[in-house]
Amino acid sequence: NAGVTQTPKFRILKIGQSMTLQCTQDMNHNYMYWYRQDPGMGLKLIYYSVGAGITDKGEVPNGYNVSRSTTEDFPLRLELAAPSQTSVYFCASSGTEGKKNIQYFGAGTRLSVL
Amino acid sequence: AQKVTQAQTEISVVEKEDVTLDCVYETRDTTYYLFWYKQPPSGELVFLIRRNSFDEQNEISGRYSWNFQKSTSSFNFTITASQVVDSAVYFCALSENAGNNRKLIWGLGTSLAVNP
Repeated sequence: NAGVTQTPKFRILKIGQSMTLQCTQDMNHNYMYWYRQDPGMGLKLIYYSVGAGITDKGEVPNGYNVSRSTTEDFPLRLELAAPSQTSVYFCASSGTEGKKNIQYFGAGTRLSVL
Repeated sequence: AQKVTQAQTEISVVEKEDVTLDCVYETRDTTYYLFWYKQPPSGELVFLIRRNSFDEQNEISGRYSWNFQKSTSSFNFTITASQVVDSAVYFCALSENAGNNRKLIWGLGTSLAVNP
């Protein structure tokens, strides 16, 4: 059982480039989340999804887009990378029964925009 | 407004000392959940515990224990006989039961260094 898988683990982008951070989970969780974590800071919610086809903005959505075409996948798109998007990105998922509200995290993607 | 405060930014202890990490929360909801997560130097976020607002019993898991007190809106985490492997950033988080998004409100974390 892989849990939440994020790819890539590391990426360096040039200013203005675009990229998609991939996130997939095999726990059949309805809820999925994207966070960013800046050095010495806590987690800030970028976008979240309560199910396939439904997404909503979190605290810091500017500069990002998401889609949720399947239960398993929740990719995060950076359209025009900026140095301010240098961060570590975490994807998480949570279920609806039993251990609901517990978010399980991927290993993270470390992104540098130069 | 919902808020989680971890007033201790950094704590440094010597191995085998006991250490308590404080977490104070604010919420207007009567039903909510509290969490602790661990982020070791390798960077992943590891779930440690979830407690709902109706369960004020203290929890013990090995060297870890949690003290939930609604009267003071606190959910403190104690590590007994700390070890070097406990060195990590620890996050406290709050989730309100209302709503359909299961979002967590995160504290800024406490960085714990356990020195040999």
